[in-house]
Amino acid sequence: DAKTTQPPSMDCAEGRAANLPCNHSTISGNEYVYWYRQIHSQGPQYIIHGLKNNETNEMASLIITEDRKSSTLILPHATLRDTAVYYCIVRVAGLTGGGNKLTFGTGTQLKVEL
Amino acid sequence: DGGITQSPKYLFRKEGQNVTLSCEQNLNHDAMYWYRQDPGQGLRLIYYSQIVNDFQKGDIAEGYSVSREKKESFPLTVTSAQKNPTAFYLCASSPLNQPQHFGDGTRLSIL
Repeated sequence: DAKTTQPPSMDCAEGRAANLPCNHSTISGNEYVYWYRQIHSQGPQYIIHGLKNNETNEMASLIITEDRKSSTLILPHATLRDTAVYYCIVRVAGLTGGGNKLTFGTGTQLKVEL
Repeated sequence: DGGITQSPKYLFRKEGQNVTLSCEQNLNHDAMYWYRQDPGQGLRLIYYSQIVNDFQKGDIAEGYSVSREKKESFPLTVTSAQKNPTAFYLCASSPLNQPQHFGDGTRLSIL
């Protein structure tokens, strides 16, 4: 899996958009970008994933640069409940079994404040 | 509600004792996984199963055992052979080839 680089921490005001960057300059053509988050003492939560097109779901938007070397997760209206560690993972999709395992780095601690 | 249920939330084990962590899912997912997370660390894969009555070792299977007798259940036993069992244990499931979804974890501590 390609290595990712994320800032260790970010702050965001409640109601504002939270933009979380991720660098993945060694990404391969068949590797997707996945985002998960983990609220303290809970299990990780899947957010979104994409290959090269921008993606949007009910939780967030994922913007991937044209060269695919970086991406940004956008939480459009952050709330206090979005305070969590956010993990950017780059990996080949469609794998099964042990190939489908997730390897989290240290992620970005997002703190949403009033 | 559909989801993944892990129980108990907190578990204490005495030295030399085996303990079993429960994981149940009603999402009709084929694949199930067990991970271990230590403080400030990422996830490490213990065991996984893609189909009933079949499971495979992950990266850190020593000292652990599993069974998959039913599609919805994938219990993990932490045996006395696991010398450093204190950790946060996470169960996940997914349809084959799809993103994983996690339970809320069991925190195991040694008395």
